[in-house]
Amino acid sequence: RKEVEQDPGPFNVPEGATVAFNCTYSNSASQSFFWYRQDCRKEPKLLMSVYSSGNEDGRFTAQLNRASQYISLLIRDSKLSDSATYLCVVNSGNTPLVFGKGTRLSVIA
Amino acid sequence: GAVVSQHPSWVICKSGTSVKIECRSLDFQATTMFWYRQFPKQSLMLMATSNEGSKATYEQGVEKDKFLINHASLTLSTLTVTSAHPEDSSFYICSALGTGPYEQYFGPGTRLTVT
Repeated sequence: RKEVEQDPGPFNVPEGATVAFNCTYSNSASQSFFWYRQDCRKEPKLLMSVYSSGNEDGRFTAQLNRASQYISLLIRDSKLSDSATYLCVVNSGNTPLVFGKGTRLSVIA
Repeated sequence: GAVVSQHPSWVICKSGTSVKIECRSLDFQATTMFWYRQFPKQSLMLMATSNEGSKATYEQGVEKDKFLINHASLTLSTLTVTSAHPEDSSFYICSALGTGPYEQYFGPGTRLTVT
């Protein structure tokens, strides 16, 4: 089983739609969780950290379920500029980040 | 936020030649840097962990004699792809570990094409 699994998509949604991505991780010792965004031919950039209590940043909401080892990202009111690949990332202590393959999102006008 | 640069941003080389990629932390000292590789439509795969002043730690399946890593200073790590072949064509990204927990800053990546 891969350490971090995501649905690769692509998700094609119209502008204004709400879209949700899910991710599961296999290492129960994982301590920190993130969503990164990667644009084509660019490096990944941190979108937001994910906390057990859930956290929101504008149109983006992230949730963590430690019992199910499951992470989600919700994007409300999708914009064209949200089109990218969203990477689920986990970390166990001061070790390298472990990346999922990413979920590709295309927001269509 | 912290800035990490990579040079070159892209390179095309002939099969059999060697290519050196530099990764620099511009406004902080990084005792630990990581080298990742990403093939099209694949996730970032960790190649090695580079620690300043010591030998790099390579992930399983990564040939240390082919991918030479040198972390000679607190702000510079280099990855040399020796005797490059077309299958080495990929997007190579470095990242530097910051001072806070779980802080990792990525360089912009280097796209290598071996013809």
